[in-house]
Amino acid sequence: QSALTQPRSVSGSPGQSVTISCTGTSSDIGGYDSVSWYQQHPGKAPKVIIYGVTKRPSGVPDRFSGSKSDNTASLTISGLQAEDEADYYCCSYGGTNTYVVFGGGTKLTVL
Amino acid sequence: EVQLVETGGGLIQPGGSLRLSCAASGLTVSSNYMSWVRQAPGRGLEWISVLYSDGTTFYADSVRGRFTISRDTSKNTLYLQMNSLRAEDTAIYYCARTTVVTPVFDYWGQGTLVTVSS
Repeated sequence: QSALTQPRSVSGSPGQSVTISCTGTSSDIGGYDSVSWYQQHPGKAPKVIIYGVTKRPSGVPDRFSGSKSDNTASLTISGLQAEDEADYYCCSYGGTNTYVVFGGGTKLTVL
Repeated sequence: EVQLVETGGGLIQPGGSLRLSCAASGLTVSSNYMSWVRQAPGRGLEWISVLYSDGTTFYADSVRGRFTISRDTSKNTLYLQMNSLRAEDTAIYYCARTTVVTPVFDYWGQGTLVTVSS
């Protein structure tokens, strides 16, 4: 059982928007502005697409955006494209005892 | 360009030991925070250990006391010594550069597969 809870799957059609939620506690998501999101294509290493809740690394399209409210973080992908089909993982700092915790992952299907 | 290359994975019997290596180029292992993250087949990501630039280490509960993270400055290489291996340790093991202020894994290796089975 993962420390952060994500939906197992979401789907959307090209051009649409989807939002993936990530629920934690006041000890992780709610306690720090340290949520990151990772995209993983099959057989590949994960890639960071959002960090510090809302920041995008260089090269990540602005179609990807992050937010947080209380103990829940969200990743929104707008203008869905076929190449967005992948697994997405949220991650949060959990304090010195836990360090970091991941969500269980969400499979995004582009219909 | 940063490159991280993991080696050392393979098939090992339960109770056995294995040492993984992560050779780095384009960054200095000893000047960075470096982590190991694993992914069991068909499962999600699990952080298991981090080594700070000052030598401080942290471990996930699932591996504490069995796994040891270390580095060799002269070889610019990160290691993970894994002892008392269990079937549930079967996974792809990734090394990743970890940012300091808000832990983010911004560079990843390609991973090495460890299979624990008799």
